[in-house]
Amino acid sequence: DVKVTQSSRYLVKRTGEKVFLECVQDMDHENMFWYRQDPGLGLRLIYFSYDVKMKEKGDIPEGYSVSREKKERFSLILESASTNQTSMYLCASSPVSATNEKLFFGSGTQLSVL
Amino acid sequence: GDSVTQMEGPVTLSEEACLTINCTYTATGYPSLFWYVQYPGEGLQLLLKATKADDKGSNKGFEATYRKETTSFHLEKGSVQVSDSAVYFCALSDRSSGTYKYIFGTGTRLKVLA
Repeated sequence: DVKVTQSSRYLVKRTGEKVFLECVQDMDHENMFWYRQDPGLGLRLIYFSYDVKMKEKGDIPEGYSVSREKKERFSLILESASTNQTSMYLCASSPVSATNEKLFFGSGTQLSVL
Repeated sequence: GDSVTQMEGPVTLSEEACLTINCTYTATGYPSLFWYVQYPGEGLQLLLKATKADDKGSNKGFEATYRKETTSFHLEKGSVQVSDSAVYFCALSDRSSGTYKYIFGTGTRLKVLA
């Protein structure tokens, strides 16, 4: 089975800290995504990447950056955490395939910024 | 831009009741359509999908038909169980730019009572 692993299930940080959220997938997928999930707002795309060192902004990139140095790893960076970035963060990956379109999700990181 | 609208929850049903969760979409191209489910404490997983007009996706007793004329992809189940209690997300994939960008609705929480 495809596995998408997020490094932390729960994280507590202070305002102004630099925060790294790590995501690793083991199925050689080209595409990787970072979403945040908030009650009443569903999943909103922060950034995605379709190749190593390639990235594209999603719908809410402000306050975030990403890094993809290796195909299997996609990191989300909060340069200076703020309380409005308290959220559930979901990483996902997918193959580039017209016949096997599917997102595989990690179990999420609940980030609290105090 | 592309978007997905789904009915607000929560939806509360008795066991063996019929379920319909409405989903409509806006897209410039010809997206694939998905339903994802999130059980309590878990990440999202694919429930079913349809890749072209009039396709019907089905899984675990759930069904949804891709209706291009009404731009809809409603989720249905004839007899729900307590174990179906979860949050359901409608989504589409936008392939117009050559990449696979997934857009989600806000989610509908379903609670099934014994």
